Amino acid sequence: DIQMTQSPASLSASLGETVTIECLASEDIYSNLAWYQQKPGKSPQLLIYYANSLNDGVPSRFSGSGSGTQYSLKINSLQSEDVSIYFCQQNYDSPWTFGGGTKLELK
Amino acid sequence: EVQLVESGGGLVQPGRSLKLSCAASGFTFSNYDMAWVRQAPTKGLEWVASISTGGGNTYYRDSVKGRFTISRDNAKSTLYLQMDSLRSEDTATYYCARSGGGYPCWYFDFWGPGTMVTVSS
Repeated sequence: DIQMTQSPASLSASLGETVTIECLASEDIYSNLAWYQQKPGKSPQLLIYYANSLNDGVPSRFSGSGSGTQYSLKINSLQSEDVSIYFCQQNYDSPWTFGGGTKLELK
Repeated sequence: EVQLVESGGGLVQPGRSLKLSCAASGFTFSNYDMAWVRQAPTKGLEWVASISTGGGNTYYRDSVKGRFTISRDNAKSTLYLQMDSLRSEDTATYYCARSGGGYPCWYFDFWGPGTMVTVSS
């Protein structure tokens, strides 16, 4: 199975700040990487697919980058509604696996 | 508007069975691969099973293979998960999710609100 390692596990940032979350795959996943946002008590929502494609309706302050085994999610100008847990997922091969999550809080 | 609504969760004893349903609306259900993804309390996400558009191809994680069965009824726009021989480690919120990207490059572009399954005596 492809292991997905996210860092950091938790993050505290101020409004307006830029934050970056990292995701490391145990093998090359050829940009088959998705990012999800899960707000408290809600189901996950797709933010980014194929490493850098923004899903419909997702604010442009979210962006994804990376290749090979290393990927990142960047949030520019942090807003209060961005407080969530963020997960990465490799969609290269079965079983489709997720990172452990990054909990983003406001400072 | 795309909607996925799960039902059928509840409290069940170890070794017993439960069947989950997911009613889909707002899109052409028969055109999309579908999946079940679960999340144990305060834990991360875990893919459980997937099914192709016509139902002819199914995929399972190893820990549920032989115990869970994913199926679909395209005429009713409904996805199912039959769960047999349930174990305490199956306790989780189960999400129905629409798949994008095409096999094997599946990501999950719409999720239902989830239904809770608790396996306990």
